[in-house]
Parts: sequence; structure tokens; C-alpha cells
Amino acid sequence: QKEVEQNSGPLSVPEGAIASLNCTYSDRVSQSFFWYRQYSGKSPELIMSIYSNGDKEDGRFTAQLNKASQYVSLLIRDSQPSDSATYLCAVNIDWNNFNKFYFGSGTKLNVKP
Amino acid sequence: EAGVTQFPSHSVIEKGQTVTLRCDPISGHDNLYWYRRVMGKEIKFLLHFVKESKQDESGMPNNRFLAERTGGTYSTLKVQPAELEDSGVYFCASSQDRGGAGQPGNTIYFGEGSWLTVV
Repeated sequence: QKEVEQNSGPLSVPEGAIASLNCTYSDRVSQSFFWYRQYSGKSPELIMSIYSNGDKEDGRFTAQLNKASQYVSLLIRDSQPSDSATYLCAVNIDWNNFNKFYFGSGTKLNVKP
Repeated sequence: EAGVTQFPSHSVIEKGQTVTLRCDPISGHDNLYWYRRVMGKEIKFLLHFVKESKQDESGMPNNRFLAERTGGTYSTLKVQPAELEDSGVYFCASSQDRGGAGQPGNTIYFGEGSWLTVV
């Protein structure tokens, strides 16, 4: 079983709609959760980080974390064509001297004008 | 403030040759990570430096890969001899000191990646 699982997509949504991206993780000691956006040929760039259960909002982006169910999601409101990219979920396990980030394979999002 | 920089951005080498990738982390970041993404796969951890020490190298695929971080500043990742399956994107990332055991991990910042093609 992979540490972090994402649906590879592509997920297609019309411009202005809400895009919902989901991620599940396997390790219960995971403590920090991140969403990165990666445009084709570019490096991943951080969008959101979340550490506690519940919702965290930043502009058009909302991250949701449910540790009991071991999932983290990203909602993008009012989706724009410029949001079309691959979204990577990352989980950080930080325990004593063990500190490692695990990435999902990414979900490709297409926002249609 | 400069971000994580990597060199070269692209490299095409023949099977059996040697390639050395360089990473300059964000100034002041003690933690330096190497990751690799091969075609169609997820980004995978290779190793983690804390300053000049290898904290975790469990992700290194085999002994053809050698990473160094002399002086705790920039790092190099050497592949010798390169094989076809080594083709992919090699990302370097860095982060500040951890908040301590049990504390939220620090965000890591990625470089643009070194795209390696072995032919």
C-alpha cells in the first residue's frame, strides 16, 4: 500500500465551478499535510499546509483534514483555466529523528473555459 | 531571497556515463532533501541531509548514487554509471530547522529540478 494515494485524474471542471481534490494516507503518525501545484515542466509550488483537523481557507483554496479517516482534501472555488495543473498531496511524518515527506502521484486538473 | 537552485536544468547522457547534479538550498536551511520522479510515477524520497550529515538515505536506489553535502551548504548527487532507468526529474528541496519531535514539520521548498535523460 502506498503511503499517499491520489486519483490521477484527469479531473475536468468548467470555469467558475468548484474543483475537489482528494488524498488519503496510510500512516497514522503523519502530522503535517501539504498541497503542491505543479505546472508541466515546472517544480512543485506550495499552495496550502494544514496540521489540525477541520478546514483551512486561503483565498479560493480550502484544505480539509480528517485525521480519523486519514484523508485530506483541497477545494478550489471559482476555478480558473490558470488552475489547470497537477496537484500533489504531501504528508510529513516527523517522529523523533525520523522526518520524511511522502508524495502522492498527483491529480491532474483541467479547468475548461 | 533566492530559492532552491539546481544545476544543470537538463542533461542528456549515454548509458554508462557519469552525471553530477548540484543543489544550492535556501540560505539558512539546514535540511536538504533529494527527490526523484520518474515518468508516470510519484515523487519519491531519496535522502535527507541535516547540515552535512546524512539523516536518512533509505530512498537511495543503489550504490550507483552518491550524495554529498560538504560544509553543510550545497549538495551534489552523482550517478555513476548511469542506467536507462535513472532517467527522470531530480528535485532538490530544503527546509528550516524542525520544530522538534512531535511538532508540525516545516514546509519544504523545491528547486526547479534537474531533468536527466539517459540514452
